[in-house]
Amino acid sequence: QITLKESGPTLVKPTQTLTLTCTFSEFSLRTTGVGVGWIRQSPGEALEWLALIYWNDDKRYSPSLRSRLTITKDTSKNQVVLTMTNMDPVDTATYYCAHGTDYFNYWGQGTLVTVSS
Amino acid sequence: QSVLTQPPSVSGAPGQRVTISCTGSSSNIGADYDVHWYQQLPGTAPKLLIFLNSNRPSGVPDRFSGSKSATSASLAITGLQAEDEADYYCQSYDTSLSGWVFGGGTSLTVL
Repeated sequence: QITLKESGPTLVKPTQTLTLTCTFSEFSLRTTGVGVGWIRQSPGEALEWLALIYWNDDKRYSPSLRSRLTITKDTSKNQVVLTMTNMDPVDTATYYCAHGTDYFNYWGQGTLVTVSS
Repeated sequence: QSVLTQPPSVSGAPGQRVTISCTGSSSNIGADYDVHWYQQLPGTAPKLLIFLNSNRPSGVPDRFSGSKSATSASLAITGLQAEDEADYYCQSYDTSLSGWVFGGGTSLTVL
């Protein structure tokens, strides 16, 4: 059973950098065709795709957030890390990591990140 | 403003059939990219409901079905049940944005 779990701070201050870690099990990012993505959801709002990393280290970013995002993987730890710089209150959201490429078939439970001074 | 357009809400009585539309453009659904659907129950993470336009993952009842045509897609739910009350999102890929896009979500109310 594939599982993913997000971890990181629940509160960050404006202008700070957010670092979130997705720890997963029962699949490997060494396997051809595998990808892990990050999606967020502001309170009461729709899902928004942020970034995705493939098994071959190819990376894709949302055009509107590209300058602020970095996604990396640590295959030995089964982790994917997302960093987002210059956090703003509008970035307050639940951040999810998910397994998949064309579509996301397994999701983490999500982690709520609040941006406030 | 989402790239994929969904009605904000739909409703139906138990046992009825409802459909949720997802309208895209020539850079996503119309460019022959597949459409996928997610169900998000209150307070939980999204769950894959339909993938590759019309396929159900194991465990999803056959009351849920998906279709795609030209620049749009639809999710149909038959035999509506109280437990179907949730938010539903469509998702595809957009070649102009070079990324994955979601619809704005549709809130289903079972009357």
